[in-house]
Amino acid sequence: DTAVSQTPKYLVTQMGNDKSIKCEQNLGHDTMYWYKQDSKKFLKIMFSYNNKELIINETVPNRFSPKSPDKAHLNLHINSLELGDSAVYFCASRGRAGGGYTFGSGTRLTVV
Amino acid sequence: QKEVEQDPGPLSVPEGAIVSLNCTYSNSAFQYFMWYRQYSRKGPELLMYTYSSGNKEDGRFTAQVDKSSKYISLFIRDSQPSDSATYLCAIRSDSNYQLIWGAGTKLIIKP
Repeated sequence: DTAVSQTPKYLVTQMGNDKSIKCEQNLGHDTMYWYKQDSKKFLKIMFSYNNKELIINETVPNRFSPKSPDKAHLNLHINSLELGDSAVYFCASRGRAGGGYTFGSGTRLTVV
Repeated sequence: QKEVEQDPGPLSVPEGAIVSLNCTYSNSAFQYFMWYRQYSRKGPELLMYTYSSGNKEDGRFTAQVDKSSKYISLFIRDSQPSDSATYLCAIRSDSNYQLIWGAGTKLIIKP
């Protein structure tokens, strides 16, 4: 009954590999986000989708590509992973009324 | 100047103390003010949500907004070791649902 679930929780991979992170929400929310949190805990928005449509695409390398097959899912694919991609990636969702965001528990990505 | 400024701490206080966490912001168009709590290795969770100025209380937590000073605060009364976490402020305007985040303050409550 988890509201926003991300998989995997941990991901350790070598430089140059391609990996995906999946996110699903069962709250019926229209809007979903991907955030990157660095070691200093600063949350930086990467992408936002509203009802499967991309509405925010911040300045991130085009190695990062989001995909939303339906409004309950937002996946993140990363090509050619680099050391600097190591961080915690959070998925979040927001209801139509514009309230607060609900976050997943994060995917800790380590690139070695 | 960043849109939202928040001291990253850490802030260490003894159990039972009153804690004051603060953020300042630069854009007077911001109307919605939130506080999130993030435990280690978990996602942020919404703690308090305030619209415009004034105070809002929920149990031991009080959120305060002073729009004239562009200053928001979160007070925790009778602090407990379980309150140890990072507290992030987040704000947004009426017209844009995208949140602007503070850097987060790490709070440590010593038993």
